[in-house]
Order: sequence, then C-alpha cells, then structure tokens
Amino acid sequence: SQTIHQWPATLVQPVGSPLSLECTVEGTSNPNLYWYRQAAGRGLQLLFYSVGIGQISSEVPQNLSASRPQDRQFILSSKKLLLSDSGFYLCAWRVGPYLDYGYTFGSGTRLTVV
Amino acid sequence: AQSVTQPDIHITVSEGASLELRCNYSYGATPYLFWYVQSPGQGLQLLLKYFSGDTLVQGIKGFEAEFKRSQSSFNLRKPSVHWSDAAEYFCAVGDPFSSNTGKLIFGQGTTLQVKP
Repeated sequence: SQTIHQWPATLVQPVGSPLSLECTVEGTSNPNLYWYRQAAGRGLQLLFYSVGIGQISSEVPQNLSASRPQDRQFILSSKKLLLSDSGFYLCAWRVGPYLDYGYTFGSGTRLTVV
Repeated sequence: AQSVTQPDIHITVSEGASLELRCNYSYGATPYLFWYVQSPGQGLQLLLKYFSGDTLVQGIKGFEAEFKRSQSSFNLRKPSVHWSDAAEYFCAVGDPFSSNTGKLIFGQGTTLQVKP
C-alpha cells in the first residue's frame, strides 16, 4: 500500500540552530512531493515542490531549503532557524500522475523555535 | 494566478444542525477544486473533489459540495453535523493547465466547532 511518513512529530529548537525534517513515501515511484507550512491563522503555504530527484522548486523566498536525494525522500532544512520558522510543517505527495488525483498528506511536524 | 478565499474563519453549529462552509476562488477558467479536513495536530484528509461534470459532488463522511461557476464558489455542506465533525476545513484550487507540477493553493481554513 502507499503510505507517507513524516518525522519527527514534534520538535523544539533554539533560534540559530539547524533543522532537518524528513518525509518518505512508500509504495510508489517518482511521486510529486510538496512541503507546506501552516502558521497560526494563516492557512497552508506552499514552500517547495519536487517533480523528481534533485528537482526542487521554491515558492516562497525564506530561511528554508529543500532537497530530494532519493526518489521517495524529501527533506526540509535550515542552517539557522528564526523564530518566524515556527509552525506546523506538512509533507504531501500526489497520488497519481495528474492533479486530479489529489494529495495525500503526512501527519505533520510541529516545530517550535525558542 | 489563482487564489482561494474562505470568508468564515470560525463557525459554530449545534449537533444535528445543517452546515455550509463557503469557498470562493479566483481563476480564469474552471479550476480543480478540493475540500480537505484537518483534525487537531493531524495531517489533511481529502473530503471530495471536483473537476468537471455534475456540479454537485459527494464526498466521504456525508459531505457534499456544489460548484457554481457564476459565483466562483465551491461551498461544502452537510445536512446534519456530528460532534466528530469538529475540525478545520480547507478549500483548495489547482490549475488544470499546470497539472504536471500539481500545485494546490489552499484557503485560510475554517474552524468548525460543534455544540452538543
């Protein structure tokens, strides 16, 4: 079956520390992958998406970066966290080859920068 | 560029009452339209979607949505709300001409509270 894993579930990091959030997908190949951030009262903001290994598109200039070292692995990183990076981070993958298949979301990572 | 507006940030309904959550979009043609639900601290689950055809679509958990081109709306409805429906609801649009990249743009969300 097709599943998506996201970890860690919760993370508390000090300002200026690095960040690495990982998302992996099982049961499919060459999926489209997406990172979203949900800040309080601001809905879901698309951060990055990837249509293949090594292919990353950034939607919003910010303190974050993304990488896709393997077909089913999508990583969100930061070299130095800011307070404004706090939020709920969601990874998603597209179930099929076209948009009409919709997304499946991971369970999310709650990041608090202190 | 397409955009989505959910005018109601927070809605409270009594259990057993009917529900309608509003969604308005901005797009030059008919976009792909989705409704997702998010329980506290969880990811998002797809409720229903619309691409073409019958403008009234049925989804999971007894939800339905109606696409109205003239109003650029895709409102979510449920005839009788259950306490377990309390959650945050997101409307999303996708550009059918960018289907390969498959980006979805989400609204701000509507938080539904259900009174006993």
